[in-house]
Amino acid sequence: QPVLTQSSSASASLGSSVKLTCTLTSGHSRDIIAWHQQQPGEAPRYLMKVDDLGRYITETGVPDRFSGSGSGADRYLTISNVQSEDEADYYCAAWDRNTPVVFGGGTKLIVL
Amino acid sequence: QVQLVESGGGLVKPGGSLRLSCSVSGFTFSDHFMSWIRQAPGKGLEWVSQTDNRGSHTDYADSVRGRFAISRDNARNSLNLQMNSLRPEDTGVYYCVRESISAGGWPAGGVDSWGQGTPVTVSS
Repeated sequence: QPVLTQSSSASASLGSSVKLTCTLTSGHSRDIIAWHQQQPGEAPRYLMKVDDLGRYITETGVPDRFSGSGSGADRYLTISNVQSEDEADYYCAAWDRNTPVVFGGGTKLIVL
Repeated sequence: QVQLVESGGGLVKPGGSLRLSCSVSGFTFSDHFMSWIRQAPGKGLEWVSQTDNRGSHTDYADSVRGRFAISRDNARNSLNLQMNSLRPEDTGVYYCVRESISAGGWPAGGVDSWGQGTPVTVSS
């Protein structure tokens, strides 16, 4: 099954940009992944899917400040013009024929 | 719009049982695989169980296999999770989630909608 690695934390200043990384294990470097946001005390929210060619598709209603990209086994979530409400935990997720869904450990984004 | 509303959580003693339900609306329920995902206090997300769109194939995490049973009623737009022999480590918030169908050139798979969650506490 795929294994996804995320940094435990990241920080960004208000109005700046930040790029979060999710790394897939070898053998799964071509997998599509999804990004989910979980604000404090809330349920997670699906943001987008990203493929190995760097294409991404966002959920309706997600601000266009959020974008995705990819390179090799890495998948990225970039947040431009970071806002205070972007302070949240961000999880990447993958799946395959044998594994309905597996999550990375999550990255806690702190907005300074 | 898509809505997933869980119910049935609560406080239960170790060894006890609970039945979670999820009522859905805003989409064709019978088109989608569905899963339950849980989150222990202060921890990350863990997939628990999945059912295919007809309820004919189910799957479970090793940690719950043999104790939990997922089911669905497509006529009533509802998803259920029967949890037996509960343990303290089953404590957490349980989320009902929808998995995506193929669309716009993207294949099926992955969670694309979440419920608000229902808390389960297993403690004596």
